[in-house]
Amino acid sequence: DQQVKQNSPSLSVQEGRISILNCDYTNSMFDYFLWYKKYPAEGPTFLISISSIKDKNEDGRFTVFLNKSAKHLSLHIVPSQPGDSAVYFCAASVGSSASKIIFGSGTRLSIRP
Amino acid sequence: DVKVTQSSRYLVKRTGEKVFLECVQDMDHENMFWYRQDPGLGLRLIYFSYDVKMKEKGDIPEGYSVSREKKERFSLILESASTNQTSMYLCASSTQDPDAEAFFGQGTRLTVV
Repeated sequence: DQQVKQNSPSLSVQEGRISILNCDYTNSMFDYFLWYKKYPAEGPTFLISISSIKDKNEDGRFTVFLNKSAKHLSLHIVPSQPGDSAVYFCAASVGSSASKIIFGSGTRLSIRP
Repeated sequence: DVKVTQSSRYLVKRTGEKVFLECVQDMDHENMFWYRQDPGLGLRLIYFSYDVKMKEKGDIPEGYSVSREKKERFSLILESASTNQTSMYLCASSTQDPDAEAFFGQGTRLTVV
């Protein structure tokens, strides 16, 4: 049973517009959430994170929103740029010292001109 | 610059062979992870280690074992490779801070023929 779910395998957005990537989770013990970006033939790189005590975290063009009651988080990218085309993974962990990081299935974002 | 290094970018092995995938990190991280990435399935955790000689099973440990004899090195072992283990394998490491991000290696594309 997937504990972290990304139900949209792909998303296409016009350059300059907002990209919204969604993620749902089932484990209420998760208290730390992360987004990673992955280009082909490279390892994932960390993008932005949010603690469960917050509902929003912003870093430049990237904002992550957390709705704990709905067990849902989203990543907003605005404005979208061609270099944002990649696979985005949502991840979650229980905030303890020996904690596994569980990833979703990923969403492939394509930014079209 | 932090670094997680996987010993091979590409490997081709025969069915039934014993395969070793090596990962080294230079950040003195306590936690290390092995994931595999498959289309539509995202990153699935195979094994996790939170200390030297300590390990925990992830979501898909069957057919794999791991070894962590030194803090900086985490090895994934395929005891008898099978074609369904053809995949991209990703190693990662992190501190044990509750809000730690994981740093990934560049991945090993393993093909079992």
